[in-house]
Amino acid sequence: DVKVTQSSRYLVKRTGEKVFLECVQDMDHENMFWYRQDPGLGLRLIYFSYDVKMKEKGDIPEGYSVSREKKERFSLILESASTNQTSMYLCASNLRTSGTLYEQYFGPGTRLTVT
Amino acid sequence: AQSVTQLGSHVSVSEGALVLLRCNYSSSVPPYLFWYVQYPNQGLQLLLKYTTGATLVKGINGFEAEFKKSETSFHLTKPSAHMSDAAEYFCAVSDYGGSQGNLIFGKGTKLSVKP
Repeated sequence: DVKVTQSSRYLVKRTGEKVFLECVQDMDHENMFWYRQDPGLGLRLIYFSYDVKMKEKGDIPEGYSVSREKKERFSLILESASTNQTSMYLCASNLRTSGTLYEQYFGPGTRLTVT
Repeated sequence: AQSVTQLGSHVSVSEGALVLLRCNYSSSVPPYLFWYVQYPNQGLQLLLKYTTGATLVKGINGFEAEFKKSETSFHLTKPSAHMSDAAEYFCAVSDYGGSQGNLIFGKGTKLSVKP
């Protein structure tokens, strides 16, 4: 069974703090993703990584950075948290099943509140 | 570029009634289409997917969806709603413009089931 785990389910941080959200997958997947989920906006891609130390910006990368030092771990970093980054953060990894078809697996999410 | 529109941010049905959640997509190439379900405070779980072949796709928990190319639709149905179906549902299409199997999500439809 594929498992994607996230280090915290709930997190409360203060404005200006540096915040790390950790994600680990146990199935040797090449690709990993960070999404942000807000009511009425669905899921929006922040960053993704297709290999160790490789990353690409998604649709809303501003205010975020990422790190992938090991294949199984993908970290999302908020350099200086702001209240508009209060949101649910979802990590995912995927596996190519054939051709251009991938199967995506999601972690349980981290609900971050910035006060 | 691909996009997904889900009609209705909130749908309410009575227990035992038909569930119909609407999804329309835009894609310049034959799409891969997905429906995911999210229960409160959890990650996303794959309900079903369309890749090629049969246009009526059956998924878990009694849900099914029909791919209609002429209508660019992939509506999700279930003949008889159960209280446990109350959740948020997301339609998604594979992002061919991006890479590595990223998905483009609709904004979600929250399903309520009344006793």
